[in-house]
Amino acid sequence: RKEVEQDPGPFNVPEGATVAFNCTYSNSASQSFFWYRQDCRKEPKLLMSVYSSGNEDGRFTAQLNRASQYISLLIRDSKLSDSATYLCVVIRTGGSQGNLIFGKGTKLSVKP
Amino acid sequence: EADIYQTPRYLVIGTGKKITLECSQTMGHDKMYWYQQDPGMELHLIHYSYGVNSTEKGDLSSESTVSRIRTEHFPLTLESARPSHTSQYLCASTLGQGGSPLHFGNGTRLTVT
Repeated sequence: RKEVEQDPGPFNVPEGATVAFNCTYSNSASQSFFWYRQDCRKEPKLLMSVYSSGNEDGRFTAQLNRASQYISLLIRDSKLSDSATYLCVVIRTGGSQGNLIFGKGTKLSVKP
Repeated sequence: EADIYQTPRYLVIGTGKKITLECSQTMGHDKMYWYQQDPGMELHLIHYSYGVNSTEKGDLSSESTVSRIRTEHFPLTLESARPSHTSQYLCASTLGQGGSPLHFGNGTRLTVT
């Protein structure tokens, strides 16, 4: 089982839809959590950090559930420009991989 | 906007050549990383560094080497390029303190013919 897991999708949704992604992590030493967005053949870019109390940035809401060890990303009123792959990133203490663990990403395709 | 730079942006080179991919950041970040990513596939960590004179191999076996002589510079070298090295190489850095995100360079797309 991978340390960080995401549903690869693709999620095909119409414009204006609300879509939610989950990301589960297995290491309880995980400390910090982020959502990144990656467009085709581009570098990942930080979308938002995920705080314990949950946080919102415009149409995007991120939440952390430490008890169940998952983070979520909610996108409201989807736009065509939201089409991308969304990567979950977990930073934890100890172990290899430089303490940064990436999920494989969830692909979102927003259709007109 | 993060200040992390990779050169070259694109590189096409013949088999057997030695190449160095450059990565520099001006943010004073201690932690730097190299990832390899094929189109549509996940990121694979190939090297990382926690500071000057510190380098470690990542989980993906790689024939490349890295050095960290200066905080801001983390070059990756392939002694003898092969077609199997064709991929996108992404450099990233972070302050490394709690809650600090990772900043990526815009990548080097390498093609070995």
